[in-house]
Amino acid sequence: GAGVSQSPSNKVTEKGKDVELRCDPISGHTALYWYRQSLGQGLEFLIYFQGNSAPDKSGLPSDRFSAERTGGSVSTLTIQRTQQEDSAVYLCASSSAPLNSNQPQHFGDGTRLSIL
Amino acid sequence: KNQVEQSPQSLIILEGKNCTLQCNYTVSPFSNLRWYKQDTGRGPVSLTIMTFSENTKSNGRYTATLDADTKQSSLHITASQLSDSASYICVVRLMYSGGGADGLTFGKGTHLIIQP
Repeated sequence: GAGVSQSPSNKVTEKGKDVELRCDPISGHTALYWYRQSLGQGLEFLIYFQGNSAPDKSGLPSDRFSAERTGGSVSTLTIQRTQQEDSAVYLCASSSAPLNSNQPQHFGDGTRLSIL
Repeated sequence: KNQVEQSPQSLIILEGKNCTLQCNYTVSPFSNLRWYKQDTGRGPVSLTIMTFSENTKSNGRYTATLDADTKQSSLHITASQLSDSASYICVVRLMYSGGGADGLTFGKGTHLIIQP
């Protein structure tokens, strides 16, 4: 596709349920990032993939959060046993090169997650 | 600690006027600085990327400046339009990808409102 695609665009679920968020990066982009943005707040880093491996998982807030990337393309972010504080917009970005180059990150429009 | 501080937190100006947004950082060693525009309900979009050797970079009515000695950057918007209403995010990258988040530190953004 022409840009980074995220699905679903909105997700409402009950506390305690598991959710899976999907990110389709721009074709050929090797780097993929997940961020979380709470209402009126800045972006909070979650995890970074280079190819299929995740050299930096330092931002995952708890062991309820996990992410994987297969085939160097699609990535899924899974949140188990959701809590109300997980409510936020989850943004995915991809890049064609390591970020010490001058290549920008391309962001999707996010998944708006609401935990009831 | 690597930090990026943006000011003002929010700004309201009349359509047609100019404005300048500020970004101060403590990230070191510095690799590049990025400005992003985030429309409400959308993902951030890259405006400019500058390395330490660049003092200014333009993208249409947007002009970013960088003073690597004082660790300050500004984003100047000329002849503002209603479509400029958005959050503007400053992002600074470390020279090395270590230190978490692939070396990226995000500011909390400046929320700009253009009034007719």
